[in-house]
Amino acid sequence: KAGVTQTPRYLIKTRGQQVTLSCSPISGHRSVSWYQQTPGQGLQFLFEYFSETQRNKGNFPGRFSGRQFSNSRSEMNVSTLELGDSALYLCASSLGGTAVATEAFFGQGTRLTVV
Amino acid sequence: DQQVKQNSPSLSVQEGRISILNCDYTNSMFDYFLWYKKYPAEGPTFLISISSIKDKNEDGRFTVFLNKSAKHLSLHIVPSQPGDSAVYFCAASELNDMRFGAGTRLTVKP
Repeated sequence: KAGVTQTPRYLIKTRGQQVTLSCSPISGHRSVSWYQQTPGQGLQFLFEYFSETQRNKGNFPGRFSGRQFSNSRSEMNVSTLELGDSALYLCASSLGGTAVATEAFFGQGTRLTVV
Repeated sequence: DQQVKQNSPSLSVQEGRISILNCDYTNSMFDYFLWYKKYPAEGPTFLISISSIKDKNEDGRFTVFLNKSAKHLSLHIVPSQPGDSAVYFCAASELNDMRFGAGTRLTVKP
């Protein structure tokens, strides 16, 4: 069973640019969540998608957006990049649905560096 | 708003001793709690979880304790092994909204 796949693994962008990150969840999983990891801040929740709908959203500015496709693959977009957006972006997939969230499976992340 | 807090950024223990990692949360609606372990250059991997209807869950060397009245959970690793050295994240969830703490870096010295 393939795990969660995130592409690209590494990315370097300049300030003001925009970036799109991709996440393919485990087959059969319908929930995809995105997290930003920075030193000292841990994993900060960005948003969660289920069946192409954003269900939950963290406290990030509108420059951070996402979407989910009918095959449950998800993309995250950051516009007008700032130096502080440099981080490891992780996506996690889970079965979703109305059941209580159990374990989520994480991808290896995309390391974004903004210069 | 940091709904899940891990106040100790790092912890160092001797091999064979007990490691205790702590986590506090503020949202009383959280009903499921999890611990994840993360090695460098890898995504976090699930370690152990506990439902809010329980106060203890054990899996081999790992035990998670939940104190709902104090909104506190802890992870006990005994005996600790050098391979346990990693960053440990606690997480709390309500339905599919899962929030993580900042992590505690555990170092187990041989």
